[in-house]
Amino acid sequence: QVQMVESGGGLVKPGGSLRLSCAASGFTFSDSYMTWIRQAPGKGLEWLSYISSSASTIYYADSVKGRFTISRDNAKNLFYLQMNSLRAEDTAVYYCARNSRFLDVWGKGTTVTVSS
Amino acid sequence: DIVMTQTPLSLSVTPGQPASISCKSNQSLLHSDGKTYLYWYLQKPGQSPQLLIYEVSSRFSGVPDTFSGSGSGTDFTLKISRVEAEDVGIYYCMQGIRLPWTFGQGTKVEIK
Repeated sequence: QVQMVESGGGLVKPGGSLRLSCAASGFTFSDSYMTWIRQAPGKGLEWLSYISSSASTIYYADSVKGRFTISRDNAKNLFYLQMNSLRAEDTAVYYCARNSRFLDVWGKGTTVTVSS
Repeated sequence: DIVMTQTPLSLSVTPGQPASISCKSNQSLLHSDGKTYLYWYLQKPGQSPQLLIYEVSSRFSGVPDTFSGSGSGTDFTLKISRVEAEDVGIYYCMQGIRLPWTFGQGTKVEIK
């Protein structure tokens, strides 16, 4: 069964750090581009970053560039979002998604709350 | 960034009746490869988004044929021919032609 499962969310103080993980299964992870998207409470969807299958190509939204780092471990079928210098406006549900021709497989999301 | 504008922002539909959602982009989504990178997603209550339509009009696997997409360039429409209870949720259009990929604000569909 094709699925993605996020983990690592939680409550963190402003300025703090958190690392999200996304575990993929049921497909050839090492051939797949992967994406992080978030949704602030009561708001719409915001694309954050994607990483190519070999990690040779990485892009970030301006809102997180310089603070967030995407990476992957193809041997473990995992990819990550390291989030530093967190702000209140980073509070959201964070989704990982497989990026084939489109975002076709999404995880259920992990919640990040940035608050003092 | 490409701005995606959806209308209406909310829709209340009688079961069995049709519904239509418009999505407009401020730049053409037609790529030089001939494809138009416009997608539709549905986020059911309490769930993550799910892909309905890709490249304007292609239904994703398992999506019922009551859903159809149309349009070109900067102007797109999602139509539900007969709304059912399980179609409630928030519908988002998304452009995938240029980074950052951007979504419309979402259209909330509910049943009367």
